[in-house]
Amino acid sequence: GESVGLHLPTLSVQEGDNSIINCAYSNSASDYFIWYKQESGKGPQFIIDIRSNMDKRQGQRVTVLLNKTVKHLSLQIAATQPGDSAVYFCAENNWAGGTSYGKLTFGQGTILTVHP
Amino acid sequence: KAGVTQTPRYLIKTRGQQVTLSCSPISGHRSVSWYQQTPGQGLQFLFEYFSETQRNKGNFPGRFSGRQFSNSRSEMNVSTLELGDSALYLCASRELGEVAEAFFGQGTRLTVV
Repeated sequence: GESVGLHLPTLSVQEGDNSIINCAYSNSASDYFIWYKQESGKGPQFIIDIRSNMDKRQGQRVTVLLNKTVKHLSLQIAATQPGDSAVYFCAENNWAGGTSYGKLTFGQGTILTVHP
Repeated sequence: KAGVTQTPRYLIKTRGQQVTLSCSPISGHRSVSWYQQTPGQGLQFLFEYFSETQRNKGNFPGRFSGRQFSNSRSEMNVSTLELGDSALYLCASRELGEVAEAFFGQGTRLTVV
């Protein structure tokens, strides 16, 4: 398959710390990227997105950085809280290509654990 | 606005049987996509429907099929179930537009025994 879910990377932080979750994407033609958060027993929840014509976008407590040169995406969470504990996925889409439409290709995910 | 609704939430089927899963998108969303999530393969795209037509298909065998109705509700069907089909099946809906975020339902947990 396109996404391998074995041995998810893990990140463990203390409450109040900043967290950085990284993702390497595969398709240099991808032009839209999204970060999702998935809590146990729930579907993925949208966090923030970024288009390929940008290299940074900020939301509430979250920042996404895009480096197209090395095909790397990162999610920064400021002042991490226990409620941020979840699996975080990056996803890519090639919208401008006209053939991918709603197809999102997901990364393997990173398990974030926040200790009080 | 109500979110994406998937039914049933949990399902247990026997190998060889078939199953139909249902997805009601967010009101006004005309695109519905389906994904399979397993521990071994992660989240993988199955197919996308828009205006009752399949627009895109992932790399799954023909046993996996879907359809979309005129009210944008979608169903996916898996025939001749195999043990490896056990997974969380997720549905996502989107508005039209150049780029639009996908909203996911809570999924249907299918267990094949």
